Amino acid sequence: EIVLTQSPGTLSLSPGDRATLSCRASQSVPYNYLAWYQQKPGQAPRLLISGTSNRAAGIPDRFRGGGSGTDFTLTISRLEPEDFAVYYCQQYGTSPPVTFGGGTKVEIK
Amino acid sequence: QVQVVQSGAEVKKPGSSVKVSCKASGGTFSSYAFTWVRQAPGQGLEWMGGIIPRFATTNYAQKFQGRVTITTGEYTGTAYMELRSLRSEDTAVYYCASATYYYASGSYYWAHFDYWGQGTLVTVSS
Repeated sequence: EIVLTQSPGTLSLSPGDRATLSCRASQSVPYNYLAWYQQKPGQAPRLLISGTSNRAAGIPDRFRGGGSGTDFTLTISRLEPEDFAVYYCQQYGTSPPVTFGGGTKVEIK
Repeated sequence: QVQVVQSGAEVKKPGSSVKVSCKASGGTFSSYAFTWVRQAPGQGLEWMGGIIPRFATTNYAQKFQGRVTITTGEYTGTAYMELRSLRSEDTAVYYCASATYYYASGSYYWAHFDYWGQGTLVTVSS
């Protein structure tokens, strides 16, 4: 089972800042099959990115995914007020099981 | 666009079972795959398992093997997740999501989870 470690646990930033979130896998993720989700308080997760860098429908282009092998990143180029949330990475290169990272909270500084 | 709607909150006693439903609309039922993910209070996401009705394929996370059953209602566009022998640690929000899957080397594999239900809070308490 691939274990995903996200860092940092919390990111304190201001609107307009650039956010860089990391997701590191315990072994190489086959085909770079990695997704990112956003979750706001009291809401279900929402798919942002699949296949490392493919934005889901309706996701603004300020969200960019990248990386390969064991190291992946989600970059939010300029934080909007609605972007403050928790972000999870998920690998599906070896599934089942699907595994998630522990999450990174992006909070307002 | 697919919409996923789940059944309402449940309160259960330790040792009992819970069955949560999830109905998808906006697409063709035969094309759906459903997966279940839970989230304990203040914690992260944990995959439980899923079902691809079209190919009669069901997978469960090892942690839940023998305690969870995921099914679909024939022709109803509804999926169900039953969790048995409940304990306090099962208190969580349970999410259903429609999922993308792929086929390779003779098997089906889960990919990303596209549309999520609103979640169902299951509280296990004596």
